[in-house]
Amino acid sequence: TQLLEQSPQFLSIQEGENLTVYCNSSSVFSSLQWYRQEPGEGPVLLVTVVTGGEVKKLKRLTFQFGDARKDSSLHITAAQPGDTGLYLCAGLTGNQFYFGTGTSLTVIP
Amino acid sequence: GAGVSQTPSNKVTEKGKYVELRCDPISGHTALYWYRQSLGQGPEFLIYFQGTGAADDSGLPNDRFFAVRPEGSVSTLKIQRTERGDSAVYLCASSTGLGGELFFGEGSRLTVL
Repeated sequence: TQLLEQSPQFLSIQEGENLTVYCNSSSVFSSLQWYRQEPGEGPVLLVTVVTGGEVKKLKRLTFQFGDARKDSSLHITAAQPGDTGLYLCAGLTGNQFYFGTGTSLTVIP
Repeated sequence: GAGVSQTPSNKVTEKGKYVELRCDPISGHTALYWYRQSLGQGPEFLIYFQGTGAADDSGLPNDRFFAVRPEGSVSTLKIQRTERGDSAVYLCASSTGLGGELFFGEGSRLTVL
């Protein structure tokens, strides 16, 4: 069971464009993480957000945790081909990290 | 080791056979997770170990799946009477504790013919 729905599922954009990925749930999470996964590899952590309303920036990536700690967004500015990958959100509740359904991003040079 | 190691990287088996997948976590990491991932989808939680004990096994799909971590380090995921629907990439992750960063291995790709 995946409690977190991500949208869009697939995204193909030109280099230099901006994009936003959404991660939504009806459940409250004590923290939320974003990972990026490349083919044949395991996911790699990008950021952890803990406080409702929290915003974190990582170079061209901006992450926001919803006020109610049920949702999150990832915004990428001026996307580059190196941003290509599967983006996953993961919410912590109890003993489990529940992963989202994933957003496959392709940035075309 | 430098990271989480999973073996085998690829396993092809026939329906009805038994398989074992091994995970060697980062040294000193007490938390260990098993996930299952289908192509293009997010990982699906299977089981979480804290030390030697399974703190949460609610994600195991049925009693054909079992996992152990006898000494609090290496873990083995065991699948009995494999079915075609078991085909997926099985990911292992370790962490310093609950809520910390998950460090993933590259996964074991299981194909059941």
